[in-house]
Amino acid sequence: GENVEQHPSTLSVQEGDSAVIKCTYSDSASNYFPWYKQELGKGPQLIIDIRSNVGEKKDQRIAVTLNKTAKHFSLHITETQPEDSAVYFCAASTGLGNAGNMLTFGGGTRLMVKP
Amino acid sequence: DTGVSQDPRHKITKRGQNVTFRCDPISEHNRLYWYRQTLGQGPEFLTYFQNEAQLEKSRLLSDRFSAERPKGSFSTLEIQRTEQGDSAMYLCASSSTQGDYGYTFGSGTRLTVV
Repeated sequence: GENVEQHPSTLSVQEGDSAVIKCTYSDSASNYFPWYKQELGKGPQLIIDIRSNVGEKKDQRIAVTLNKTAKHFSLHITETQPEDSAVYFCAASTGLGNAGNMLTFGGGTRLMVKP
Repeated sequence: DTGVSQDPRHKITKRGQNVTFRCDPISEHNRLYWYRQTLGQGPEFLTYFQNEAQLEKSRLLSDRFSAERPKGSFSTLEIQRTEQGDSAMYLCASSSTQGDYGYTFGSGTRLTVV
């Protein structure tokens, strides 16, 4: 089955700096790659996703890049703010289309943004 | 629509007891998923429904676990004869097969088995 590895496990940055979180996946059939933000006591919240036919996607301060050949994808947060502090999870799925879209998650990255 | 609702938020039970959790998905979403998350880990897939049909079950879902979605709306997850290893956050999510495939997760039910 799919295996997703995520690095680093913790990341501390100064407010205003950029943060980068990287993930690798094992199943070349994976075609959907979402990123989730989880705050304490809450469920994961989708912040951005990318499909395998796209190399990069941006949404304001957040961007995701995908390298299908190397089977890795990354989350980039620019101009970090204290409210960006949370645990971030990457995930991968082979399930776009008629198949069930079951996600395999990475182990998470705890991002701390220091004011 | 207020999103995905899960009830209860917290449950403490004694080992060997049965527990049942409920999930109410976003009304127009036809897919419903259950995941389990232990402390410091990412969520792990348990099972999913498309409408009322349970289409996939993980090997993590032992015989003590059963899930239903009787009318294609809310879902229940029951754990029989709970064990300490069942202590975790149980997350429900819903999505649609139309357009955006992104999940919406609920806030979860935290189960503690003592």
